Amino acid sequence: EAGVAQSPRYKIIEKRQSVAFWCNPISGHATLYWYQQILGQGPKLLIQFQNNGVVDDSQLPKDRFSAERLKGVDSTLKIQPAKLEDSAVYLCASSFRQPNEKLFFGSGTQLSVL
Amino acid sequence: DQQVKQNSPSLSVQEGRISILNCDYTNSMFDYFLWYKKYPAEGPTFLISISSIKDKNEDGRFTVFLNKSAKHLSLHIVPSQPGDSAVYFCAASGGAQKLVFGQGTRLTINP
Repeated sequence: EAGVAQSPRYKIIEKRQSVAFWCNPISGHATLYWYQQILGQGPKLLIQFQNNGVVDDSQLPKDRFSAERLKGVDSTLKIQPAKLEDSAVYLCASSFRQPNEKLFFGSGTQLSVL
Repeated sequence: DQQVKQNSPSLSVQEGRISILNCDYTNSMFDYFLWYKKYPAEGPTFLISISSIKDKNEDGRFTVFLNKSAKHLSLHIVPSQPGDSAVYFCAASGGAQKLVFGQGTRLTINP
């Protein structure tokens, strides 16, 4: 069974630039999550989708972050413009049904904002 | 406001001995608790979970203990193996609260 796919693995940008991350969840998983993990901290939920609808985006900085899951499968997370404090690992996860805390995570995208 | 806390950033244990990782929580609405394990350059992977109706759950070398009155849970690994060296995250959910992760504890198993 293929796992959660994420790309790119690494990204280095300058502040005020924009960046996008892509995620393809495990086939058949209706729920998709984007997490931000800052060095030394645990993952923090940014947004949760159920199929192509948003379930929770309460911790998403909506002035600069956006995410979509148009066809209920893969998803993109965008940051525009990036700030230094956005440097983190961005993890995508999926689960078969909601609620289900047994998440399957991708390897993440390491973002460095200079 | 950190609802899930892992107060030990790191832990070093000799191979074959018991590893005990601790986690404290503040939200009394939490009713489901999980441990995730993370290797470098990989995403976290689910390890073991426990519902608040239980006080112990065991899976092979891994046992999770829940003390609801103290709002404390712990993960025991017996015996510890070199492959157990990783970062371990405690996580909790319940009520309207989505899954919340602790800061993680880096476990190193020494030969």
